[in-house]
Amino acid sequence: NAGVTQTPKFRILKIGQSMTLQCTQDMNHNYMYWYRQDPGMGLKLIYYSVGAGITDKGEVPNGYNVSRSTTEDFPLRLELAAPSQTSVYFCASSYSTGGGETQYFGPGTRLLVL
Amino acid sequence: DAKTTQPPSMDCAEGRAANLPCNHSTISGNEYVYWYRQIHSQGPQYIIHGLKNNETNEMASLIITEDRKSSTLILPHATLRDTAVYYCIVKKLYAGNMLTFGGGTRLMVKP
Repeated sequence: NAGVTQTPKFRILKIGQSMTLQCTQDMNHNYMYWYRQDPGMGLKLIYYSVGAGITDKGEVPNGYNVSRSTTEDFPLRLELAAPSQTSVYFCASSYSTGGGETQYFGPGTRLLVL
Repeated sequence: DAKTTQPPSMDCAEGRAANLPCNHSTISGNEYVYWYRQIHSQGPQYIIHGLKNNETNEMASLIITEDRKSSTLILPHATLRDTAVYYCIVKKLYAGNMLTFGGGTRLMVKP
């Protein structure tokens, strides 16, 4: 299993540009998440999904959109990039069991908005 | 979810046990204690979790006090590769509940 994969690894955007951060998992997990991590800070949840066709907002959803058309993919869309969106973005997936839930994280996408 | 309190940083000698404490005095009966770590620039990595019993896996041991108000993550033989930020997280078990990452403890393993 490749686990959780993210592309691209690094991207520079100009203010006002748009882009999609890709996330794919091959573990057949039903739950998927997008977090952002600003320098020196903990992770904050942007959006999450509990299954194909179902998404919901997290703590910091403004400026982002998501979709979940398949179990495997959970892309994150930035429509009008702003400098405040400069961050490292992590995608994660999990499968909930009666004994607890473990989230598996991707390697991250580093985004710089200038 | 209950809040957690961790020391901001700790040092440990290579080969020694690293004991990382976490206070979660407002934990409720259905909340689990999770530990994740983040090695520089990488995605967080799951270590271990527990509800009320002590737990052990190939990476670490988790000791939860009887009143569940605090816990300790033990890395039995710390190596340089264990240098990371360790996050103690308390969360309920239900769909969509996010992991709330606080400041964590920055563990520095020294030779």
